[in-house]
Amino acid sequence: DQQVKQNSPSLSVQEGRISILNCDYTNSMFDYFLWYKKYPAEGPTFLISISSIKDKNEDGRFTVFLNKSAKHLSLHIVPSQPGDSAVYFCAATFNNNDMRFGAGTRLTVKP
Amino acid sequence: SQTIHQWPATLVQPVGSPLSLECTVEGTSNPNLYWYRQAAGRGLQLLFYSVGIGQISSEVPQNLSASRPQDRQFILSSKKLLLSDSGFYLCAWRDRAGGLWEQFFGPGTRLTVL
Repeated sequence: DQQVKQNSPSLSVQEGRISILNCDYTNSMFDYFLWYKKYPAEGPTFLISISSIKDKNEDGRFTVFLNKSAKHLSLHIVPSQPGDSAVYFCAATFNNNDMRFGAGTRLTVKP
Repeated sequence: SQTIHQWPATLVQPVGSPLSLECTVEGTSNPNLYWYRQAAGRGLQLLFYSVGIGQISSEVPQNLSASRPQDRQFILSSKKLLLSDSGFYLCAWRDRAGGLWEQFFGPGTRLTVL
């Protein structure tokens, strides 16, 4: 049961442009959402999060938007840099114990 | 500061052999601990989580098991590996007492079952 979905397996953008990664969820109980970044052969690293009581959270070049009615969130990276090339995982949780991850989107930023 | 260790980094095992992957966390007490698997081309699948010593919750039926013999030690085991057990195994921890939702991941173990 895939409760968190990232329907785009890959995304390619030019350096300096905006990267938009999308995530959809099905469980309306989720109340906290996170984005992780993962390089090959490494563990994911936490990037940014948002509580369900907010619709936007910004941290430098990274902004996460949450649309609860559509059960949709997105991560905006602007401007994109080649070092942003990685796999990005969307995650959601509604209790203190577990977290559900999407399948990931591979972002490639071309110089 | 907190750190999380996983070993070994890579492992090649024959089908039917046993498995033991170890994860330890430093710099925190009573963390939530997690085992995930990332299979080729797929996302992160939660396998087990633990909220305390001896407390294990399993998310999916499988031939793997987990144990938490000490507060900051989490072990993933199998008596007989299957080909489908190949993947990238990640241990993670969360500071439940600190009220933080973020999970922090270890460097992972690449398991290849032949």
